[in-house]
Amino acid sequence: DTEVTQTPKHLVMGMTNKKSLKCEQHMGHRAMYWYKQKAKKPPELMFVYSYEKLSINESVPSRFSPECPNSSLLNLHLHALQPEDSALYLCASSQEGGGGSPLHFGNGTRLTVT
Amino acid sequence: GESVGLHLPTLSVQEGDNSIINCAYSNSASDYFIWYKQESGKGPQFIIDIRSNMDKRQGQRVTVLLNKTVKHLSLQIAATQPGDSAVYFCAENRSGGSNYKLTFGKGTLLTVNP
Repeated sequence: DTEVTQTPKHLVMGMTNKKSLKCEQHMGHRAMYWYKQKAKKPPELMFVYSYEKLSINESVPSRFSPECPNSSLLNLHLHALQPEDSALYLCASSQEGGGGSPLHFGNGTRLTVT
Repeated sequence: GESVGLHLPTLSVQEGDNSIINCAYSNSASDYFIWYKQESGKGPQFIIDIRSNMDKRQGQRVTVLLNKTVKHLSLQIAATQPGDSAVYFCAENRSGGSNYKLTFGKGTLLTVNP
């Protein structure tokens, strides 16, 4: 079982809805990440938080809004999404920057936008 | 385009055989590499990593080889089992860039036949 927990496992939302994805880790990791993965494709980086501060935003549309309430939690707030945003959203954490230690992934939230 | 790629998108092996999954990278400044296994419905699972000051690293039934001369990375799985069936991704971190940005290869689907 993964040590990074994501909820919900599945989410279906309409284009006018507001929803949030949640991620939690208790490994003491100080870097946390959001990735997006389309079917049969590799994960693509969206956001990186380092010591609870946003350090990287990969030009993600503003309809995705990340939040890091504390060192163990990471949220992704969703609003006015498009059907093409349907994907697997993965959360990950690492002990330090990804250049020095591996990322540990959760099992993702399967998002469907109708 | 992606700088981390794979020679074969699919690999089919017999149970008990050894598997070799290959990955090419184009950035000679990359200094840290990771192999991930992703089973259907799950997030990527860390298998093994290697830094650029090493040529080989072994884990349990897995070996990663790094050839910096030709910018090639491989994952060898000994005595492949049905449970090894999954998509395998290599990922690189590029020195000089953000320590937090891992670039994933396209992935290889490994199928183990009983």
